[in-house]
Amino acid sequence: ETGVTQTPRHLVMGMTNKKSLKCEQHLGHNAMYWYKQSAKKPLELMFVYSLEERVENNSVPSRFSPECPNSSHLFLHLHTLQPEDSALYLCASSQYTTKNTGELFFGEGSRLTVL
Amino acid sequence: ELKVEQNPLFLSMQEGKNYTIYCNYSTTSDRLYWYRQDPGKSLESLFVLLSNGAVKQEGRLMASLDTKARLSTLHITAAVHDLSATYFCAVDEETSGSRLTFGEGTQLTVNP
Repeated sequence: ETGVTQTPRHLVMGMTNKKSLKCEQHLGHNAMYWYKQSAKKPLELMFVYSLEERVENNSVPSRFSPECPNSSHLFLHLHTLQPEDSALYLCASSQYTTKNTGELFFGEGSRLTVL
Repeated sequence: ELKVEQNPLFLSMQEGKNYTIYCNYSTTSDRLYWYRQDPGKSLESLFVLLSNGAVKQEGRLMASLDTKARLSTLHITAAVHDLSATYFCAVDEETSGSRLTFGEGTQLTVNP
């Protein structure tokens, strides 16, 4: 198993659909992250789960809902998205301490297109 | 708020030439990471710099960290086409505990 795996790799959805992105890490890390990468914009941290706490970027709309059932799995639930939400969604994991994030290991990404 | 600035944002260079990408950041940190991203792909870790004066080299790439100047450099020696990609630096803020702040990325194109 590769370090961080994401599914699906590509997703096309309408604005009224509900879908989920899945991420699994096999590195024994204790923190997982969702990043959004849009064209010509910096990487945007959406959500962090570390030491069983959730930290979120307050600018992320509520139509994105994360779920982290355990330290190895992370989901991003999507509902009533907008076309501007089309982007590459990257999952990452790290061995986090209270002082440092640690090196991030990224999955291959899920390319989302909202019609 | 931590700011991370890379320059240049776009770099077109010829094969065989040398160049340096700069990463400046605005707050105290002694942990900095460099990543590479190929078009349509994810980010791949290149270097982890964990202290002032740290220098790491891999092939034609060398990264260094000066925490006093709040500056990291990624030096490219005798560039080849395969190095064409976008390079990101990311800074681990000492007090954040749970986030890396990424630069905007430097899109490098190496021309034959």
